Amino acid sequence: RKEVEQDPGPFNVPEGATVAFNCTYSNSASQSFFWYRQDCRKEPKLLMSVYSSGNEDGRFTAQLNRASQYISLLIRDSKLSDSATYLCVVEGSGDSSYKLIFGSGTRLLVRP
Amino acid sequence: DADVTQTPRNRITKTGKRIMLECSQTKGHDRMYWYRQDPGLGLRLIYYSFDVKDINKGEISDGYSVSRQAQAKFSLSLESAIPNQTALYFCATSEGLAGHNEQFFGPGTRLTVL
Repeated sequence: RKEVEQDPGPFNVPEGATVAFNCTYSNSASQSFFWYRQDCRKEPKLLMSVYSSGNEDGRFTAQLNRASQYISLLIRDSKLSDSATYLCVVEGSGDSSYKLIFGSGTRLLVRP
Repeated sequence: DADVTQTPRNRITKTGKRIMLECSQTKGHDRMYWYRQDPGLGLRLIYYSFDVKDINKGEISDGYSVSRQAQAKFSLSLESAIPNQTALYFCATSEGLAGHNEQFFGPGTRLTVL
């Protein structure tokens, strides 16, 4: 089993749609979680950290379910500029707490 | 100006050549990392450093070496490049403080080994 698993997509949605991405992780001791966005051939950029209580940043909402070891990202009112690959990222634990474990990414295509 | 820079941005080389990729940062972070990215495999950690002259192997260090002679610089070397080292290479930095382990990436180096 991969340490961080994501549906690779692509998710093809019209502008204005709401889309949700899910991610599962294997290490129950992990404490920090993130979503990164990566445009084609560019570097990953931090989109948002994920907190236990869930958090929202504009059109983006991230949620964490520790019991199920599951993280989600919801994007409302999709824009063309949201087209990118979204990486679920989980911090290691214990001696590996320095380490970020990256999922392979979920690709989103927003069409006019 | 970008906080994390990488040079070169693109490089084509031949099998057996020695290659060095450079990374510089102005974020003042202690921790620096080198990753490679291959299609469908996500980012994999090659080496990381928590301070000047501190060097640690990541999950795929074979065939690579690094040097950290200054806080702001972390270089990656391929001693004798081979075609399966063709990939996109990213440098990243982080503060390393508890609760602040987000990493910030450079723009990447696209390396092709013929």
